[in-house]
Amino acid sequence: GAVVSQHPSWVICKSGTSVKIECRSLDFQATTMFWYRQFPKQSLMLMATSNEGSKATYEQGVEKDKFLINHASLTLSTLTVTSAHPEDSSFYICSARVGRGNLETQYFGPGTRLLVL
Amino acid sequence: AQTVTQSQPEMSVQEAETVTLSCTYDTSENNYYLFWYKQPPSRQMILVIRQEAYKQQNATENRFSVNFQKAAKSFSLKISDSQLGDTAMYFCAFMKRTNDMRFGAGTRLTVKP
Repeated sequence: GAVVSQHPSWVICKSGTSVKIECRSLDFQATTMFWYRQFPKQSLMLMATSNEGSKATYEQGVEKDKFLINHASLTLSTLTVTSAHPEDSSFYICSARVGRGNLETQYFGPGTRLLVL
Repeated sequence: AQTVTQSQPEMSVQEAETVTLSCTYDTSENNYYLFWYKQPPSRQMILVIRQEAYKQQNATENRFSVNFQKAAKSFSLKISDSQLGDTAMYFCAFMKRTNDMRFGAGTRLTVKP
């Protein structure tokens, strides 16, 4: 299957700092990527849809000024958690849409654990 | 809005036996996709199997197969000859064409030696 990478895999930061997470499609181009958040023992919750060359679409309740998404190329989307606070600590996962029509699916990155102290 | 329900928070099975995980969904759409993803302790989401709604034939991938009942909006996953490496969280997911994916709450499967 298609390979999606995320960097960093782990990040610990102080409250008030900003953290950038990168999501890359390694062997294919992804016009659409997705960002999810997962709390311990819970399911994945969609935060936003990232479209190459245009503004991201955020889910209801997700602060767009808090979670900045940039999808400047067909292989890279970034999520920046601005002025992070302890409640932002979570597991963040990106995915990339692959294929068209009947072959369409999503492949996921390995995730990024964020701990805000 | 589409909802996905997994009614079994936890399940266990003996190694080499068969287990079935349940999933139901609610949608008014006719064209869509259904997926089962596996999330082991590493937390990497791994695609197990996918099903197109327009196909009546149930999808199969080696030891994994689904029972897709479109009218009942049911999409269960059967794991045959369970292996220790199958221990993981399993998420059922629904996706409309060219749209985002919605997940169920997950089922934690433990394969016992």
